[in-house]
Amino acid sequence: QQPVQSPQAVILREGEDAVINCSSSKALYSVHWYRQKHGEAPVFLMILLKGGEQKGHEKISASFNEKKQQSSLYLTASQLSYSGTYFCGTKRIQGAQKLVFGQGTRLTINP
Amino acid sequence: DADVTQTPRNRITKTGKRIMLECSQTKGHDRMYWYRQDPGLGLRLIYYSFDVKDINKGEISDGYSVSRQAQAKFSLSLESAIPNQTALYFCATSDSIAGGPNNEQFFGPGTRLTVL
Repeated sequence: QQPVQSPQAVILREGEDAVINCSSSKALYSVHWYRQKHGEAPVFLMILLKGGEQKGHEKISASFNEKKQQSSLYLTASQLSYSGTYFCGTKRIQGAQKLVFGQGTRLTINP
Repeated sequence: DADVTQTPRNRITKTGKRIMLECSQTKGHDRMYWYRQDPGLGLRLIYYSFDVKDINKGEISDGYSVSRQAQAKFSLSLESAIPNQTALYFCATSDSIAGGPNNEQFFGPGTRLTVL
């Protein structure tokens, strides 16, 4: 039941755009995105709820396609500081007690 | 000061030894979690606790036990460590009061454990 993230890794030049996907075979209630920089703890980015709006945080935004059970994280005009591993965590029902995390997507931004 | 702290930060031990990893938080959150991170496998939940009297198994609890000594403290024990428990361990907290789906998790800095 672990969500599947794609791609597993991506390398970009500064200023390029990236899309990271998180897919589930089961219906989802919410998708939570976290970023982990090398050697650091994961840090929360945003939550998307079923029926909710697309969220954004600076040049990072995300959407949630309920029909496809997929969330996509968009990084626009990537900066060096965006490098890290991105994880999605999912909940299948509103009262779910725990997140199930995907395997992560490693994003490398080069100058 | 950090809101979520973990001790030790690094630990090397031998097969068969008992190990305890500790987590403390000053955020006042009632929910605490222990995760294990392995390359390519993401974050996997070991145990979680929603209050001092509530302990729940996660996806990979075999070989581990926990103790919630107080609202602010949640310890993870490996009764008899084995090499495949070598991993990065994270403690996390969240606040139930923030609302059901909106309980952002705050992670500690992690403990890197090596079992020889």
